[in-house]
Formats: sequence, structure tokens, C-alpha cells
Amino acid sequence: EPEVTQTPSHQVTQMGQEVILRCVPISNHLYFYWYRQILGQKVEFLVSFYNNEISEKSEIFDDQFSVERPDGSNFTLKIRSTKLEDSAMYFCASPSSGVAGTQYFGPGTRLTVL
Amino acid sequence: QKEVEQNSGPLSVPEGAIASLNCTYSDRGSQSFFWYRQYSGKSPELIMFIYSNGDKEDGRFTAQLNKASQYVSLLIRDSQPSDSATYLCAVNYGGSQGNLIFGKGTKLSVKP
Repeated sequence: EPEVTQTPSHQVTQMGQEVILRCVPISNHLYFYWYRQILGQKVEFLVSFYNNEISEKSEIFDDQFSVERPDGSNFTLKIRSTKLEDSAMYFCASPSSGVAGTQYFGPGTRLTVL
Repeated sequence: QKEVEQNSGPLSVPEGAIASLNCTYSDRGSQSFFWYRQYSGKSPELIMFIYSNGDKEDGRFTAQLNKASQYVSLLIRDSQPSDSATYLCAVNYGGSQGNLIFGKGTKLSVKP
């Protein structure tokens, strides 16, 4: 299975602080996705990013969120002013080269907002 | 609102038995269907995908799709304690690069 990496594995922050979560998707893909999973709840789509632009975003992805591709291989998810309810696992996902529609998930970043 | 529904379980089966996991989805425009396995505290791991009506087998896993009934299932034969996890059904509504809509997952427990 192709590998998607994410850093950090765990981030603890104070409410109102900015956090940046990082992802290195499977190489040579123009698409990647961010999802989140609040503890005990389902995985929820946040945003998809294609060729340096947002392709689609959910209602969750409000003005507090942004995604960027600061260099050729890294992608970031920024939360500008964190709220308690932002505490969740954040996953990035990358498409498979061989099979259309499949997505492989990174190990996730556990964000804890105090 | 596109929805994916799963029985949350827990589903408990003895070792060696067949585990049957079910999923329904709301939008007939759905194009592809996925089963992920998620161990506690870990990320979803893709185990099966299916696009066409009928059965698809991969080792001990069989995915079944019935688009007329908007129903997807996963059968796990010869269940092992290591299969104990939460199984997530996901549906892709938006073409080959669309985002996934997930169900809440069914927790499976395989008893030795």
C-alpha cells in the first residue's frame, strides 16, 4: 500500500491559537484530501485540493481553515483560531495510482485544543 | 443530503465464523463504494472497493453491491481475532476524484 505521511502525530494547543498540520501525499498526485474524525464519530470530509487550488469543500471548512501547498511535495491544513470543537483526528488522503476513486489515508494528526 | 448508514454494532462473531457487515446509501448517483478497516486510534485502512453490481472477492473478504437496493455489504470468512476493528463503509459520489462520504462504522468483535 502506498504511503502517506503526516506530522505531527499529536498536537496540543490552546484555544484561539493557530495550528498547522502537514501532509506528504503519495508522490506525483495532483489531488489530495483532508478529513477529520471527532472521537467516537464518523470520518468527515473537509476539503479536496487539486493542482494548487481547492476543488471542493464541506460546510465544516469555514474561514478558519485554509490549505496550502508550500512546496512541491508538502501540503498543509491551517486552523487560524482553534476552538475546543476542533479537537479531532485529522487525516490527509491521497488517491491511488492504479485504481480510480480509491484513497489512502495517512496516519493522522491528533489535535487537542485546551 | 447524501447519507451512508451502517449498524453501529457491536457485532460479535466466534473465531472461524462469517462476519456480515451491511451499509446503505441514499444517492442513486453514487459511483464507487469502499470498505475501510479502522483499528482504535488508527487511520482508516482500505480493504475493498467495488464499482459494479454483484460480488467481488479478495482473499477472505467479499464485497457485494446491489445498486437497485442501494446496498453494499462486506463478508469476512474465517474471521480471526485480528479482524476485530471498526469497519467503515464509504461512498464516492463525485466521480473518480470525488470526496468520500463515510458511515459511522460497525464495530466487529471476533471472539477466540
